[in-house]
Amino acid sequence: LAKTTQPISMDSYEGQEVNITCSHNNIATNDYITWYQQFPSQGPRFIIQGYKTKVTNEVASLFIPADRKSSTLSLPRVSLSDTAVYYCLVGGSSASKIIFGSGTRLSIRP
Amino acid sequence: DAGITQSPRHKVTETGTPVTLRCHQTENHRYMYWYRQDPGHGLRLIHYSYGVKDTDKGEVSDGYSVSRSKTEDFLLTLESATSSQTSVYFCAISEGQLMDGYTFGSGTRLTVV
Repeated sequence: LAKTTQPISMDSYEGQEVNITCSHNNIATNDYITWYQQFPSQGPRFIIQGYKTKVTNEVASLFIPADRKSSTLSLPRVSLSDTAVYYCLVGGSSASKIIFGSGTRLSIRP
Repeated sequence: DAGITQSPRHKVTETGTPVTLRCHQTENHRYMYWYRQDPGHGLRLIHYSYGVKDTDKGEVSDGYSVSRSKTEDFLLTLESATSSQTSVYFCAISEGQLMDGYTFGSGTRLTVV
């Protein structure tokens, strides 16, 4: 099973760019890397997914190096509303093999 | 999200009693999942379903059973609740199995006393 390692917590300020790195040393060839965001008292919601290189959407960017053993979620110009827990997931075609982990608790200050 | 509803939202029950949590979807998605979330553990998969009457175990399935008799409903049953099953339970749905398409419910907070 592809296990992920993320920082337990991070702090930043409004307007800054935040980068959260996730390690996944035993990622399999057919595994995708997916990030979810969770606010208190809510279920997680999808942010971004990638396989290799760089992916960008209206919310975030995901950078994946060639060896795919790590990935970095980049949140541009964060606001207070970005305060949440962010989960890095690695998995392929079976839900039973996808591990959520404990996530990174991001706190944004004014 | 409007397409997935969990009930009840909160429940307190006594040790040894049976408890059933319900997940209802209006999206006609094939896959449905039950997770539990505890401090320090993130979300852990309990059971999942890949179709009507088709279910499989996740990483923490002991003490739980599930049933899916209709596409729209996925039930999680604790046959004899224990204090270690005090948790927040989340249901999720997806069309496929890649993790980009999961939609989670708002959760059920279960307390076993």
